[in-house]
Amino acid sequence: ELKVEQNPLFLSMQEGKNYTIYCNYSTTSDRLYWYRQDPGKSLESLFVLLSNGAVKQEGRLMASLDTKARLSTLHITAAVHDLSATYFCPVRSGNTGKLIFGQGTTLQVKP
Amino acid sequence: KAGVTQTPRYLIKTRGQQVTLSCSPISGHRSVSWYQQTPGQGLQFLFEYFSETQRNKGNFPGRFSGRQFSNSRSEMNVSTLELGDSALYLCASSSPGGAPNEQFFGPGTRLTVL
Repeated sequence: ELKVEQNPLFLSMQEGKNYTIYCNYSTTSDRLYWYRQDPGKSLESLFVLLSNGAVKQEGRLMASLDTKARLSTLHITAAVHDLSATYFCPVRSGNTGKLIFGQGTTLQVKP
Repeated sequence: KAGVTQTPRYLIKTRGQQVTLSCSPISGHRSVSWYQQTPGQGLQFLFEYFSETQRNKGNFPGRFSGRQFSNSRSEMNVSTLELGDSALYLCASSSPGGAPNEQFFGPGTRLTVL
């Protein structure tokens, strides 16, 4: 059974600092997504990672994928308050649109 | 290009009633998936429809059902509502084939069961 685990589940950090969110998944999958969710809102797509060694960057966020270790990381550089949100890294199950989500990581960036 | 739309955005029902939620995918997208989000269980997959056929189903009771129309719009229905059905229901659309099969989520329908 495909499972996704994220850590930490909650992260409080100061503006300007760097940090990494880790996402482990239990069985093989061909794609991993990163989404952001603000309180009471829907999911905003950040990245789609398809292959081993894939790295994508957008602004202060950089995501990478190691399919052999079944691990993805979301690195935050010089955090700003606007990055405060909950981040999810669902993994696709099989060859369909079914995504398996972990618990999410709630990021709080303090001024 | 218009995004995924869901109606209604908010809904209040009482136990025992039934409810129908609607999702219109991005134009050209043929796959629609539904998810339930609750504080306790997180985000859970309900079902996926592709070209009017249910392609995948999550571990939810038969009270939860769905369908997809020829224009790719999808509805989900919950019968005999229970308090535990209170949740944010999200639908996502994607375009199978090609890369990277990104999934776009709608704004959600927040259902409250009293």
